[in-house]
Amino acid sequence: EPEVTQTPSHQVTQMGQEVILRCVPISNHLYFYWYRQILGQKVEFLVSFYNNEISEKSEIFDDQFSVERPDGSNFTLKIRSTKLEDSAMYFCASTRTVNTGELFFGEGSRLTVL
Amino acid sequence: AQSVSQHNHHVILSEAASLELGCNYSYGGTVNLFWYVQYPGQHLQLLLKYFSGDPLVKGIKGFEAEFIKSKFSFNLRKPSVQWSDTAEYFCAVNALAGTALIFGKGTTLSVSS
Repeated sequence: EPEVTQTPSHQVTQMGQEVILRCVPISNHLYFYWYRQILGQKVEFLVSFYNNEISEKSEIFDDQFSVERPDGSNFTLKIRSTKLEDSAMYFCASTRTVNTGELFFGEGSRLTVL
Repeated sequence: AQSVSQHNHHVILSEAASLELGCNYSYGGTVNLFWYVQYPGQHLQLLLKYFSGDPLVKGIKGFEAEFIKSKFSFNLRKPSVQWSDTAEYFCAVNALAGTALIFGKGTTLSVSS
């Protein structure tokens, strides 16, 4: 069964460093998402991406964040200068059509900022 | 703005007990409703969803949920839980197909055998 894969599974970084989280969505999917979950809190929407551009983003997704689909398979989330409060589990998701409402999630990348 | 509230943070049950997890949302218009589950060490996966029609929806593994529009609720139920149902359960809503899913904080279910 096709699945969304994310790397790395866990990254530890120093405050102020740049981090890139990578996702390989399911191959025939067209819509891509990043969510995050700070420990003990809700899963929060960050950004959605379709047709090579951001289609929706939340207030959390400020200038520190960017997304890219550099080739036909990867979908990346970059955090330019990490802060302590960026420590969270980051989930990538994809779907072929938004009409079904079903997102397929990766297992997440845990980011720890020291 | 939409929001989702899940009333129970951690629920502990014995096998064969019945389960009901509460979910309320705030949004005045038409919504699509979802329950996702995350088993230990695994990714979030869809349990069931409601778009329209019969407000009682059935999902995988014997779960069902009832949409009560007047109460803005979409509670998840299962008549008899199993140890393998131990997981985190997330209620989610979007106001229009294609807009971002908004999640609740999640409920951790622990089932003892």
